[in-house]
Formats: sequence, structure tokens, C-alpha cells
Amino acid sequence: DTGVSQDPRHKITKRGQNVTFRCDPISEHNRLYWYRQTLGQGPEFLTYFQNEAQLEKSRLLSDRFSAERPKGSFSTLEIQRTEQGDSAMYLCASSLDGGGSPLHFGNGTRLTVT
Amino acid sequence: GEDVEQSLFLSVREGDSSVINCTYTDSSSTYLYWYKQEPGAGLQLLTYIFSNMDMKQDQRLTVLLNKKDKHLSLRIADTQTGDSAIYFCAESSNDYKLSFGAGTTVTVRA
Repeated sequence: DTGVSQDPRHKITKRGQNVTFRCDPISEHNRLYWYRQTLGQGPEFLTYFQNEAQLEKSRLLSDRFSAERPKGSFSTLEIQRTEQGDSAMYLCASSLDGGGSPLHFGNGTRLTVT
Repeated sequence: GEDVEQSLFLSVREGDSSVINCTYTDSSSTYLYWYKQEPGAGLQLLTYIFSNMDMKQDQRLTVLLNKKDKHLSLRIADTQTGDSAIYFCAESSNDYKLSFGAGTTVTVRA
């Protein structure tokens, strides 16, 4: 068990460009989550998957954001036409199915939009 | 989030106990968690408690839950310099969407 892995660790992009982040969860975990954290704040829920099914999306996830988990293993989060307000730490987490199983977070991808 | 509140800063002397407090508003909160975040890193799960429990102890960590007052605390015994970090309280009424506080920055001084 190597924990939740995220790539890249840092991404700097110009406004208007598209970016894609990858998350590899803990292997036996069925659930995968995306959260966003801005400076001085706690993480905020974006979306989550149960296996390959995306079960809920936050209103924070605008139409420019899309997340996939095609085979129920790794996940990608794409942001199209990035804006400066998208600058944040994007955190991925995974857990076992329900019952309050705690979320285990990766080290995040820090996005800076210039 | 606005549903979970924590004090922003705590300074403690090395070797003393630290107590970090958290209040939440959702009376249906079922799961409550404490996470630790060091600079540039993700969140490390420290401990968690279900709403049907009052207390949980795990080595140097003790979690107390007062469900009536919607108050959660984390006590760290014999605080060390490696405990310097931001500590987040989080609650959930389901088992996937956590609401986090803004974090308490703990500074351990020699």
C-alpha cells in the first residue's frame, strides 16, 4: 500500500489553457474523491466516484470541470479554459465503501493560473 | 466551511498537552474526523469518531465528542516539535462529503 498518488505535484499554466490531473487511489479502495483547497481554508468537496460511477458533483464543479474514472481505478480531473480563480490545491482521496470509512488523501496537485 | 468552526492558532510549549477545539452545526453529523496537514503536503488522517461515541483514545491522541453541544476536541499529549502543523476538523452526515473547518495552526515552541 503506497497511499494515494497524485500527478503532477505542481502545475503552472496560462489563463485559458486546459489542464489535466491524475489520481491513483489505494488499490483496494472502491471510492475516489476530489476536493479543492484554497489558501487558508479547509478542503471543499468537488465530486466522488463509487467504482467507475460518478455519484455526486458539487455546484463548485462548473461546466469547465470534468472528472472521470473509466475503469474504476485511477481518475483524471480536467479543467478547460482555466481562470485565475481556479488556482488552488486539488486533493484526491480514496476510501473503502461507506460506513464512515475514513478518507485517505494524496499530497495534492497545486495549480497556479497566471 | 461555515458549518465547522475552529480557532485559527494555538501555541504550546514542547512537552505540554495541546487541545484543539471544533464546533459544528449539523445535528445529523454522524462521522467526525481530525486531519493534520504539514506545509506543501496533503491531509494525513489522525483519528475519527462516530457520533455514538463520547471518547476515543489512540496513543497520544484523545478525541472527545459532546454531541449535545456539537463540540469536538483533540488532545495531543506530550506535544513535540513534529506536531507543528495545521489541524483540520471535519464532519459528515453521510459518508462521502466532508465539511472541513478552516484549520488550526499549531506552533510548538521549545
